[in-house]
Amino acid sequence: DAGVIQSPRHEVTEMGQEVTLRCKPISGHDYLFWYRQTMMRGLELLIYFNNNVPIDDSGMPEDRFSAKMPNASFSTLKIQPSEPRDSAVYFCASSFSDRGYNSPLHFGNGTRLTVT
Amino acid sequence: RKEVEQDPGPFNVPEGATVAFNCTYSNSASQSFFWYRQDCRKEPKLLMSVYSSGNEDGRFTAQLNRASQYISLLIRDSKLSDSATYLCVVNRGSGTYKYIFGTGTRLKVLA
Repeated sequence: DAGVIQSPRHEVTEMGQEVTLRCKPISGHDYLFWYRQTMMRGLELLIYFNNNVPIDDSGMPEDRFSAKMPNASFSTLKIQPSEPRDSAVYFCASSFSDRGYNSPLHFGNGTRLTVT
Repeated sequence: RKEVEQDPGPFNVPEGATVAFNCTYSNSASQSFFWYRQDCRKEPKLLMSVYSSGNEDGRFTAQLNRASQYISLLIRDSKLSDSATYLCVVNRGSGTYKYIFGTGTRLKVLA
């Protein structure tokens, strides 16, 4: 079975440029999460969706960050304009709520973003 | 104070040793608990869920203490391949579906 698919794997961009990260969740999963991981702060939840609807975006750091989920099989995380402090690994994860809160998360391979 | 706290380590142990990690959480309404494993430059992967009565999967044993708000992971007969970062994860529940991660405990098993 295909897991969570993220693209690109690596992104190097200059400060001020727009960055778009993409995610395809596992088919049938009804929750999708975006996380950011840095050495200093660990894994931080940015936003999560349920059935394509954003439920909680309180972790989105600033208005420069936005996320969409136009359908059940695709989500994007956009940073505009990007800044060097946005450099991190961005993970997408999905979950199927068949076991309620006991349903585990399944992660994609992540996108390593470097903003120079 | 962070919602989920772990000792960052590193824990350096010889092969065959038994090692235990603890994780504390501050939200008493938290509903579910997990241990994930993360290898260097890779994504986190589910190691095991943690059930109220405690559970075991081969060399790994997880326990939950709701009264003291901590979970533990015990690894017996450590292997070199167990070297990784172990992440404690808590789902807040109570109408939200937020999975909150600890910063992880690094384990290095030495030959």
